[in-house]
Amino acid sequence: QKEVEQNSGPLSVPEGAIASLNCTYSDRGSQSFFWYRQYSGKSPELIMFIYSNGDKEDGRFTAQLNKASQYVSLLIRDSQPSDSATYLCAVKTSYDKVIFGPGTSLSVIP
Amino acid sequence: DTGVSQDPRHKITKRGQNVTFRCDPISEHNRLYWYRQTLGQGPEFLTYFQNEAQLEKSRLLSDRFSAERPKGSFSTLEIQRTEQGDSAMYLCASSFGTVSSYEQYFGPGTRLTVT
Repeated sequence: QKEVEQNSGPLSVPEGAIASLNCTYSDRGSQSFFWYRQYSGKSPELIMFIYSNGDKEDGRFTAQLNKASQYVSLLIRDSQPSDSATYLCAVKTSYDKVIFGPGTSLSVIP
Repeated sequence: DTGVSQDPRHKITKRGQNVTFRCDPISEHNRLYWYRQTLGQGPEFLTYFQNEAQLEKSRLLSDRFSAERPKGSFSTLEIQRTEQGDSAMYLCASSFGTVSSYEQYFGPGTRLTVT
């Protein structure tokens, strides 16, 4: 089992729709969770982090964490073509290492 | 510009040559990380420093790779006797590591091509 897994893409949504990106992790002791956006040919950009169970909202982005289910998600409301990118889930494990998932490619269709 | 910087941005080298990359972190950040990323994959951890101490090195990293962070400021990553499999994007990130804060901020990366 891989340490951090993400739903396989590519994911295509129409402009204005909600995009839902999912991530599961294997280390039950993980404490910190991050979402990065990466445009093609660019480096990852931190867009959200969440440490506590529940929802955290920042503009059009909402991160959701359920530690009991070892699941973290990112919702993007009112998706825009500029949101088209690869989204990386990253988890700080109990052994103090940040592990990245393989990423999910999102395409927002105008 | 107070972000993470990396130099060079691109490097083309012949197999067997040595290459060195530099990373300048955000000035107040005490942690510095090196990752490698290939197409379609997430960043793969290579090593990290807290101040000048190298605290962990991935077992995936062969003896051909070495990293330093003298004086806890900038860092260098050296690859000796490069192989075609070393072709990748090498990413540097920094963070202000506390018990509760591990947000990492990435530099633009160095794209290495080994011919």
